[in-house]
Amino acid sequence: DSGVTQTPKHLITATGQRVTLRCSPRSGDLSVYWYQQSLDQGLQFLIQYYNGEERAKGNILERFSAQQFPDLHSELNLSSLELGDSALYFCASSVSAPGLLYGYTFGSGTRLTVV
Amino acid sequence: AQRVTQPEKLLSVFKGAPVELKCNYSYSGSPELFWYVQYSRQRLQLLLRHISRESIKGFTADLNKGETSFHLKKPFAQEEDSAMYYCALSEGVNAGGTSYGKLTFGQGTILTVHP
Repeated sequence: DSGVTQTPKHLITATGQRVTLRCSPRSGDLSVYWYQQSLDQGLQFLIQYYNGEERAKGNILERFSAQQFPDLHSELNLSSLELGDSALYFCASSVSAPGLLYGYTFGSGTRLTVV
Repeated sequence: AQRVTQPEKLLSVFKGAPVELKCNYSYSGSPELFWYVQYSRQRLQLLLRHISRESIKGFTADLNKGETSFHLKKPFAQEEDSAMYYCALSEGVNAGGTSYGKLTFGQGTILTVHP
């Protein structure tokens, strides 16, 4: 167990719907990152939170939003879903030190299928 | 902006042959570089960090700042090395105190080791 927990593991939903993906970081990690992995786009950085605050934003659509709660878990909300949103969504966490000496610890991902 | 390039999408070798997965980066500061491995669409696992100069599962990677490269090498490939490999760069903390360790990934290289 890497310590990063993502739920659910699989999600199938229809176009136009809204879903919430949840991530619990490794104990003690303050930074949470969300990535989208698709076959054609590779790993795309979506957003980063550090101790409850948004720290960096990547290629995240306006239909997507995220937040990090006081207990440090994070949720990624995807709305008005389209077929193209089908992908594997990874959450990762890291030790809260300047730089990234130890890399990330990744969760096992949520596989989203939009039908 | 930082960029990571893995020029080979697919790489096939035979068991026992040497393997080199190429990674080039562009970044104006002092990068922190990593290799991640992903087996069969599972979670990404940290394989190597340039800062530690370690060897994991027989793999090594040397940071060449002159060529802005961080190629991953193994002298004798094994079938169990078949996986997707991602090179990643962290810009650490910038002067503005943001981007607290955001990782930028390359597109990945699928390594297949044939028996």
